[in-house]
Amino acid sequence: DAGVIQSPRHEVTEMGQEVTLRCKPISGHNSLFWYRQTMMRGLELLIYFNNNVPIDDSGMPEDRFSAKMPNASFSTLKIQPSEPRDSAVYFCASSRDRGLRAFFGQGTRLTVV
Amino acid sequence: SQELEQSPQSLIVQEGKNLTINCTSSKTLYGLYWYKQKYGEGLIFLMMLQKGGEEKSHEKITAKLDEKKQQSSLHITASQPSHAGIYLCGADGGYGQNFVFGPGTRLSVLP
Repeated sequence: DAGVIQSPRHEVTEMGQEVTLRCKPISGHNSLFWYRQTMMRGLELLIYFNNNVPIDDSGMPEDRFSAKMPNASFSTLKIQPSEPRDSAVYFCASSRDRGLRAFFGQGTRLTVV
Repeated sequence: SQELEQSPQSLIVQEGKNLTINCTSSKTLYGLYWYKQKYGEGLIFLMMLQKGGEEKSHEKITAKLDEKKQQSSLHITASQPSHAGIYLCGADGGYGQNFVFGPGTRLSVLP
């Protein structure tokens, strides 16, 4: 298996633009997590899906952020409109079930100018 | 909500030296995970501890979870430059709780 695949690896966008980050979890994993990492706040859980259903989105910072998981092999994290303070590395992770080892993607480094 | 603290915040050691990184939880841990991250890359899973008093080893890295399940330590024996990176502990607070990560410990190993 190729592991958790995220795209793009790097994204530079202007403030106000819509940004979509993509994630392909490992086949057979039914839990998917989106994290954001910054120097100031460390690694923060944004949202957690189980069997394609959002279970906990309390970490999503505000309404500008939305996440979907239309099927077991694909998830998106969208920011609309983007702001400079959204600049961070966004990680997607998947696991066979909650509470088990999570495998992380390589991350998407987002810069909003 | 559960919070994790790590100490030290950063660590610089000479190659060959032993070192310990600590992770302390504000609540009982139902699962404690250790990950390593290299700059600009994703997190690499090291070990998971679930039982009080549990200890696991992989190559030169040993992790322990205390009996009360609120503190874990990661010990590296005879450190090498390849051990350099950021070590993060993560925790599952149990049903209804989010996964949380500690702030990380940045390790540098001087050749």
